[in-house]
Amino acid sequence: QKEVEQDPGPLSVPEGAIVSLNCTYSNSAFQYFMWYRQYSRKGPELLMYTYSSGNKEDGRFTAQVDKSSKYISLFIRDSQPSDSATYLCAMKASNTGKLIFGQGTTLQVKP
Amino acid sequence: DAGVIQSPRHEVTEMGQEVTLRCKPISGHNSLFWYRQTMMRGLELLIYFNNNVPIDDSGMPEDRFSAKMPNASFSTLKIQPSEPRDSAVYFCASSWAGKETQYFGPGTRLLVL
Repeated sequence: QKEVEQDPGPLSVPEGAIVSLNCTYSNSAFQYFMWYRQYSRKGPELLMYTYSSGNKEDGRFTAQVDKSSKYISLFIRDSQPSDSATYLCAMKASNTGKLIFGQGTTLQVKP
Repeated sequence: DAGVIQSPRHEVTEMGQEVTLRCKPISGHNSLFWYRQTMMRGLELLIYFNNNVPIDDSGMPEDRFSAKMPNASFSTLKIQPSEPRDSAVYFCASSWAGKETQYFGPGTRLLVL
């Protein structure tokens, strides 16, 4: 079993839809949770960062962490065609610099 | 800020040849990471350095892979001899040690024939 599980999709939605992306994990030592966005043929770029449990909002993006369920989510409101990309969740424990990535979910937002 | 710089951007080589990938981290960052990304396995950490010292190389697939960081502004990942199954996109990332945000380079697309 992988430490981090993420449905690879693909996920296709119409412009303006609310998108929900999720990851589950098995390692209770994870304390830091991130979402990276990767456009085609580019490197991943950090989108959202959350420490421990709770919610964090940044514009149209909201990240949620539920440590009791070992489940994290990324919500995108009013999705745009420019949001079309692969979204990777990543997480790490406090005693290491090593990030563990999910497989990535490919999102397509259709105009 | 120039960001993380990787070279070459594309590499096509034949099985058995030596391949060297290069990375220049963001100035001032003292942690450097090498990743490999494939469709089947996703993004995998190969090795990371803190202050030029290798900390965790448990992801290095086998002895054919080696990485060095001779100074704070340069790192190499070498594959010798290369095999077709090494075909992937190799990313370098850097960060401040103790900080969680990693900044990725554009990647090197490697194809081993």
